[in-house]
Amino acid sequence: AQSVSQHNHHVILSEAASLELGCNYSYGGTVNLFWYVQYPGQHLQLLLKYFSGDPLVKGIKGFEAEFIKSKFSFNLRKPSVQWSDTAEYFCAVTPPLVFGKGTRLSVIA
Amino acid sequence: KAGVTQTPRYLIKTRGQQVTLSCSPISGHRSVSWYQQTPGQGLQFLFEYFSETQRNKGNFPGRFSGRQFSNSRSEMNVSTLELGDSALYLCASSFGTGLAVQETQYFGPGTRLLVL
Repeated sequence: AQSVSQHNHHVILSEAASLELGCNYSYGGTVNLFWYVQYPGQHLQLLLKYFSGDPLVKGIKGFEAEFIKSKFSFNLRKPSVQWSDTAEYFCAVTPPLVFGKGTRLSVIA
Repeated sequence: KAGVTQTPRYLIKTRGQQVTLSCSPISGHRSVSWYQQTPGQGLQFLFEYFSETQRNKGNFPGRFSGRQFSNSRSEMNVSTLELGDSALYLCASSFGTGLAVQETQYFGPGTRLLVL
């Protein structure tokens, strides 16, 4: 069965630091990949998604993710984080729809 | 455009009781999915409804059930509540008419259920 691993449970960064959150899925074949974000007190919302084509996907708020098929990975990156990026980040894969357990990002001034 | 709404927002029940949660999708969306979110297990898919039919189902016991009405509103029911059912229950909607595996889910605020 498909599973999604997010390696870091909680990441703490200073403002302007670079961010990389890991996401690995278990099952090969054709997959669709998503990153969702949940800001404090807000709903889960889509950050970016990959279906096909260019494996480097750009999302909202300066986030990007790279799909590396050989590594079953879809890591999320941002070159310079801001305090407002403090949130919980979820990686998801279809089919079937499976979410990772999330990574909490805390950005400190 | 109004977002996904869920009622009630908070609920306290005791073991053995049953509970019904409600979800109104974004206007025009015909697919509604339900998720259970807990600190230990993260987000787990319960089921998805499209045009009043359950289209996909996660790995949850039969105590968890749902339905969808003709106006796309959905309800989720949990019978014989257990302590472990305490969680945030999220509803998400999508158009549902595209390739389901590629659709963006739009989430509601969730219903926080506490079972005592």
